[in-house]
Amino acid sequence: GENVEQHPSTLSVQEGDSAVIKCTYSDSASNYFPWYKQELGKRPQLIIDIRSNVGEKKDQRIAVTLNKTAKHFSLHITETQPEDSAVYFCAASGLLGNYQLIWGAGTKLIIKP
Amino acid sequence: EAGVAQSPRYKIIEKRQSVAFWCNPISGHATLYWYQQILGQGPKLLIQFQNNGVVDDSQLPKDRFSAERLKGVDSTLKIQPAKLEDSAVYLCASSLDRWGSGNTIYFGEGSWLTVV
Repeated sequence: GENVEQHPSTLSVQEGDSAVIKCTYSDSASNYFPWYKQELGKRPQLIIDIRSNVGEKKDQRIAVTLNKTAKHFSLHITETQPEDSAVYFCAASGLLGNYQLIWGAGTKLIIKP
Repeated sequence: EAGVAQSPRYKIIEKRQSVAFWCNPISGHATLYWYQQILGQGPKLLIQFQNNGVVDDSQLPKDRFSAERLKGVDSTLKIQPAKLEDSAVYLCASSLDRWGSGNTIYFGEGSWLTVV
């Protein structure tokens, strides 16, 4: 079945710098890749997603890139702000997995003032 | 638009007691999910409903956990008897449909369970 690995588990960056979180997946048939942000004590919320027919997608300071050949996708946050501090989860789904979302283990992002 | 509603938000019980969590998904959403999230880990799918039918319950500990969605709307998750390792946040989520990838999953605020 599908397996999603997420790195790093913890990322600490200076406010204003960029942060990059990477996920790799095993099922080449996966075609949907969302990213969720979970603030402490809050629910996970979708921040951006990408489908396999697109290589990159941007939304203000957030971007996601997908490399289907290498089977990895990454979350890029530019000009980080204190409110970006949270745990970020990647996930993948596709036909072979019956569209079940398979989650990464999460990355704790710490923005240092 | 109203979000996914869950109750209770917090519950403390002793081991071997029972507990039930309730979820009301976003109106019109056919798919409902129950996830278990242990502190410091990602969400783990316990059960998925499509309308009132079970799509996937492969990770549900059926000797102690049960869930139902009788009328295809609200859902209840029950734990009986509870164990210490059941301490977690139980997240209910819903999506418009399960078919075809790319259906956004919306989460409720979660029900925090502590078993002592």
